[in-house]
Amino acid sequence: DTAVSQTPKYLVTQMGNDKSIKCEQNLGHDTMYWYKQDSKKFLKIMFSYNNKELIINETVPNRFSPKSPDKAHLNLHINSLELGDSAVYFCASSPGGGGAGTQYFGPGTRLTVL
Amino acid sequence: EDQVTQSPEALRLQEGESSSLNCSYTVSGLRGLFWYRQDPGKGPEFLFTLYSAGEEKEKERLKATLTKKESFLHITAPKPEDSATYLCAVRRDYKLSFGAGTTVTVRA
Repeated sequence: DTAVSQTPKYLVTQMGNDKSIKCEQNLGHDTMYWYKQDSKKFLKIMFSYNNKELIINETVPNRFSPKSPDKAHLNLHINSLELGDSAVYFCASSPGGGGAGTQYFGPGTRLTVL
Repeated sequence: EDQVTQSPEALRLQEGESSSLNCSYTVSGLRGLFWYRQDPGKGPEFLFTLYSAGEEKEKERLKATLTKKESFLHITAPKPEDSATYLCAVRRDYKLSFGAGTTVTVRA
């Protein structure tokens, strides 16, 4: 009964390929997020959806496209992968409103672009 | 832009040796300061939320405090299982801005 799950855990691919990462939460939360953690361990917000509506879209290349088919799922699709996309990507969820800072993170997806 | 600076970058402690981690921040319209713990190969895990200067929260050997410009995470008599990276974050609207973290290693 994992709260926030991500698949796959590891992703190794060639430059120029397109890949997707899936995220699901069973906490009943309204809000979901995608973060990127680089090699220096710095965690940076990329996107956030609240009830399937995009509410945060940081300065991210448009090769990255989030999709939220329903409140429990937030997927991340990446086109034309580049070497600099190598990182660990975390999905998170939180209650809406005042609880939005208490975020529950998934285990991460380590993406390696060769 | 919101800024969160954590110090030191790394901290090596002997078991039982108490210490403090610092998180200084600059944010307009602060809606909370958050502490998370991250173990290697895992996602961050929520520890505390602080909302106003003077507020304190405790959990086992950890105690978090908040002033208008910084927060401290005090680790009292740490054990090896307290070894982790501790992340501080500030919230504005739905957005959390994280610091780079302090990696704590506790030796037995």
